[in-house]
Amino acid sequence: DAKTTQPPSMDCAEGRAANLPCNHSTISGNEYVYWYRQIHSQGPQYIIHGLKNNETNEMASLIITEDRKSSTLILPHATLRDTAVYYCIVRVAHDYKLSFGAGTTVTVRA
Amino acid sequence: ETGVTQTPRHLVMGMTNKKSLKCEQHLGHNAMYWYKQSAKKPLELMFVYNFKEQTENNSVPSRFSPECPNSSHLFLHLHTLQPEDSALYLCASSYGTDTQYFGPGTRLTVL
Repeated sequence: DAKTTQPPSMDCAEGRAANLPCNHSTISGNEYVYWYRQIHSQGPQYIIHGLKNNETNEMASLIITEDRKSSTLILPHATLRDTAVYYCIVRVAHDYKLSFGAGTTVTVRA
Repeated sequence: ETGVTQTPRHLVMGMTNKKSLKCEQHLGHNAMYWYKQSAKKPLELMFVYNFKEQTENNSVPSRFSPECPNSSHLFLHLHTLQPEDSALYLCASSYGTDTQYFGPGTRLTVL
């Protein structure tokens, strides 16, 4: 699987949009970008995934650059409950493996 | 709630004990997974089952023994564990290789 690079931590203000970057410069054409988050000591929660088009759901938006070498997860209106570790994962299509890195620790401040 | 339940949520055991972790999914999925998350470390995939058949074993020591009696249930049998096996054990399920959904985890402490 292609490796991803995320900042180790970031702060954001409650009520503002949180933009979480991820670099995946060695991504292949058959690899998806997945985002999960993990609130302290709980199981990871699926957020969103995409291949090359931008995606939006009730939780977040995923913006993937045209060359697919980087992406941004956008939480439109961050709340204190969005404080968590966010993982950007590149995953090969039709493969069971999901490789978690260290992620970005996001702290939402009032 | 993700539709994946795990019991117990917390477990303390001695090194000579035998215990089992249970996972159940109510999502109609056919694949189930065990992951381990040690303190300050990323999640590590341990086992993968697809339609009750083990498809992945990530060089896990034999003191961890998985069992998948059907597509909805997954067990992890533990015996003669070491203190360094203390971790959060997470179960996940998916439909084929689609998105994996995780349970809340079992926090295991080995004394």
